[in-house]
Amino acid sequence: AQSVTQPDIHITVSEGASLELRCNYSYGATPYLFWYVQSPGQGLQLLLKYFSGDTLVQGIKGFEAEFKRSQSSFNLRKPSVHWSDAAEYFCAVGARNTDKLIFGTGTRLQVFP
Amino acid sequence: DAGVTQSPTHLIKTRGQQVTLRCSPKSGHDTVSWYQQALGQGPQFIFQYYEEEERQRGNFPDRFSGHQFPNYSSELNVNALLLGDSALYLCASSNGVTAQETQYFGPGTRLLVL
Repeated sequence: AQSVTQPDIHITVSEGASLELRCNYSYGATPYLFWYVQSPGQGLQLLLKYFSGDTLVQGIKGFEAEFKRSQSSFNLRKPSVHWSDAAEYFCAVGARNTDKLIFGTGTRLQVFP
Repeated sequence: DAGVTQSPTHLIKTRGQQVTLRCSPKSGHDTVSWYQQALGQGPQFIFQYYEEEERQRGNFPDRFSGHQFPNYSSELNVNALLLGDSALYLCASSNGVTAQETQYFGPGTRLLVL
């Protein structure tokens, strides 16, 4: 069965520092992979997605993620965090033969000035 | 261009009652999916509607039902509410039903069951 693990429940970084949020998935084939961000009172906003091809994916707001098949990982990175990046981040996997998304439990990012 | 809208934003019900949540998809989208997000958890897939039919369903009991209208808007109905149904209910719309289609999420309806 498909599953997504986000090992870090809560991460705190200083503004301007680099960021890496971890995501590991379980799926028998190459999945579709997504990162979403959720701010308080807001719905989920798509940051980036991976379907195939180049394993380094660029997204909005300066985020990028790298698909590593050997590690079953899709970690999200940003070189310099801004205070406005404080939010909940969700990694999700979609199977090629279904339409639903399986989400991880999320990582809450706190940014200190 | 209006995004995905949901109503109401908040709702309080008591155990055993029934509730209906509504969703209007993003303009041009024909597919609606519903997710339940319990506190501190990631969203869980409830079901998806396309062409007014339920296409796929997650691990939710029959108390959860839905409908899609000809204008692509959708309703989620939950009968015989339980305390455990308290959650944020998210609606997502997409153009088409394949997993490659980006799902756009609404702000959600927060349901509290007392």
